[in-house]
Amino acid sequence: NAGVTQTPKFRILKIGQSMTLQCAQDMNHNYMYWYRQDPGMGLKLIYYSVGAGITDKGEVPNGYNVSRSTTEDFPLRLELAAPSQTSVYFCASSYLPGPTSTDTQYFGPGTRLTVL
Amino acid sequence: AQSVTQPDIHITVSEGASLELRCNYSYGATPYLFWYVQSPGQGLQLLLKYFSGDTLVQGIKGFEAEFKRSQSSFNLRKPSVHWSDAAEYFCAVGDNYGQNFVFGPGTRLSVLP
Repeated sequence: NAGVTQTPKFRILKIGQSMTLQCAQDMNHNYMYWYRQDPGMGLKLIYYSVGAGITDKGEVPNGYNVSRSTTEDFPLRLELAAPSQTSVYFCASSYLPGPTSTDTQYFGPGTRLTVL
Repeated sequence: AQSVTQPDIHITVSEGASLELRCNYSYGATPYLFWYVQSPGQGLQLLLKYFSGDTLVQGIKGFEAEFKRSQSSFNLRKPSVHWSDAAEYFCAVGDNYGQNFVFGPGTRLSVLP
């Protein structure tokens, strides 16, 4: 299993540009998550999905959109990039809802995004 | 709203010394508590978690954590640190569904030879 994969690893955007961060998992997990990690801060949840076709907002959803057309993929879309979106983005997945007693979240390696 | 504080931004210990990383949380219900480790350039890896039962939790890599409800704390410990333990450590609190999962700011651990 490849686990959770993310592309690209690095990206530089200009203000106002748009892009899609890709996330895929091959573990047949129902639950997927997008987090952002700012320097010196913990992770903040942007969006999550409980299955194909179902998504919901997390703590910091503004400026982002997601879709979940398949179980495997959970792309994160930035429509009008702003400097405040400079961050490291992590995708995660889990089989059961959230980090339960019989499950855990598996994290991808992250995408480092800089908006200039 | 729930929150997590990790009072120590950076800790340096000598290899072989004991380690304790502090974590305090604020949560309205019974918390689910976690410790994650992040090596440079890597994603997060779960070290251990607490949901209920025994308040002393054993994790991977020789780590353990103790839940103290009266102090709203979930401190991470290791009796003897190895150089490979140098990393960033995150405490987190949440519920069973992920959307209320909150991370602390992290503690960076440096290990001296």
